[in-house]
Amino acid sequence: AQKITQTQPGMFVQEKEAVTLDCTYDTSDPSYGLFWYKQPSSGEMIFLIYQGSYDQQNATEGRYSLNFQKARKSANLVISASQLGDSAMYFCAMRELRYSSASKIIFGSGTRLSIRP
Amino acid sequence: GAVVSQHPSRVICKSGTSVKIECRSLDFQATTMFWYRQFPKQSLMLMATSNEGSKATYEQGVEKDKFLINHASLTLSTLTVTSAHPEDSSFYICSASGAGGGRGEKLFFGSGTQLSVL
Repeated sequence: AQKITQTQPGMFVQEKEAVTLDCTYDTSDPSYGLFWYKQPSSGEMIFLIYQGSYDQQNATEGRYSLNFQKARKSANLVISASQLGDSAMYFCAMRELRYSSASKIIFGSGTRLSIRP
Repeated sequence: GAVVSQHPSRVICKSGTSVKIECRSLDFQATTMFWYRQFPKQSLMLMATSNEGSKATYEQGVEKDKFLINHASLTLSTLTVTSAHPEDSSFYICSASGAGGGRGEKLFFGSGTQLSVL
């Protein structure tokens, strides 16, 4: 069964510093996708970054990068030069892709990131 | 990017009434839609998966007669909370997935519905 683990319930970071949010996963499916979503207090889920299990390079999207270590089954999110607007809940998620678009995404428990001015 | 519209954003109802929540994909055909429930300060818990034109698949522990899901078209799925009770109060959020191809298999989320049952 697929499983996502986020071990950091909360983090405080000084503005402009880089921050790493941890995520480990478990799956028996060789084909899967890993995601990070941001959820501000408004509740909307904002897609940040995606990494496919067969992607050769780590994904990057602006200030976001995903440190994908397949052998360790980890997919940590790195936010460079943090900003006050980065304060939010962050969820790591995984989707097994064997059965294409019908497969569900499961979420980790989340990490609440707070940026200090 | 793709847009998923969810309505209403907030609803307050009396115990015993039914509430319908709509989820629409605005610029793509959503072959699959997912409904999640989120309690305060907790993660998203998948309730059910709906595929257009077929019955929804419910996760273990989710009452299908309580949470009715209809996915009648490729752009619309509805969740009806029947005979709502205070314990049904929660944040409900839908997401949609297309037929793949170029979107990284990612889900697009609606803005969520905060249901409060008095």
